[in-house]
Amino acid sequence: SQQGEEDPQALSIQEGENATMNCSYKTSINNLQWYRQNSGRGLVHLILIRSNEREKHSGRLRVTLDTSKKSSSLLITASRAADTASYFCATDEGTNAGKSTFGDGTTLTVKP
Amino acid sequence: EAGVAQSPRYKIIEKRQSVAFWCNPISGHATLYWYQQILGQGPKLLIQFQNNGVVDDSQLPKDRFSAERLKGVDSTLKIQPAKLEDSAVYLCASSLISGIYGEQFFGPGTRLTVL
Repeated sequence: SQQGEEDPQALSIQEGENATMNCSYKTSINNLQWYRQNSGRGLVHLILIRSNEREKHSGRLRVTLDTSKKSSSLLITASRAADTASYFCATDEGTNAGKSTFGDGTTLTVKP
Repeated sequence: EAGVAQSPRYKIIEKRQSVAFWCNPISGHATLYWYQQILGQGPKLLIQFQNNGVVDDSQLPKDRFSAERLKGVDSTLKIQPAKLEDSAVYLCASSLISGIYGEQFFGPGTRLTVL
């Protein structure tokens, strides 16, 4: 069953702009992770945020988590053409620690 | 450090045939996952192993899919017989620990086309 749902489904921006993607989920979670997938490097883990954290940074990535709204956002600042990819959120739920449920992703296109 | 290895990378078969995929996880990773990713969708967990024991196979179509992880290292996923709707990319992932902080490392996947 699908837990996370990303919004928007597709996003197209110019290089240098910021990109924001959102993820909503239904049940309580232990943590939420963001992954990137492109044809060159496959599926790659970007960042993990725990349920007791509200914000996390990694380079040009900023992730927020609002457990009261059951939502998370991924912000990519100063985007580059190389950021073109699909971005997925994955939630780890309470019943099976280590089991990640993925959404269907946001496809980001960064135009040079 | 070597990543997760999968083979073959591509496979084309006709419906009702059988197919097997192989995965070699990162050395020392106790947890191994098989996912099915249909075009335009996110990965869907098929089965999760902790060492050589099954942790979760609730979404594995057991009438046609089987998986094993002998000796807690390599794993194989088999489909017998294949259906058209099995056309997808099959991803293998591994993590060092099973738990709430285990980052998963993914292999390149096997793209299966069923004709």
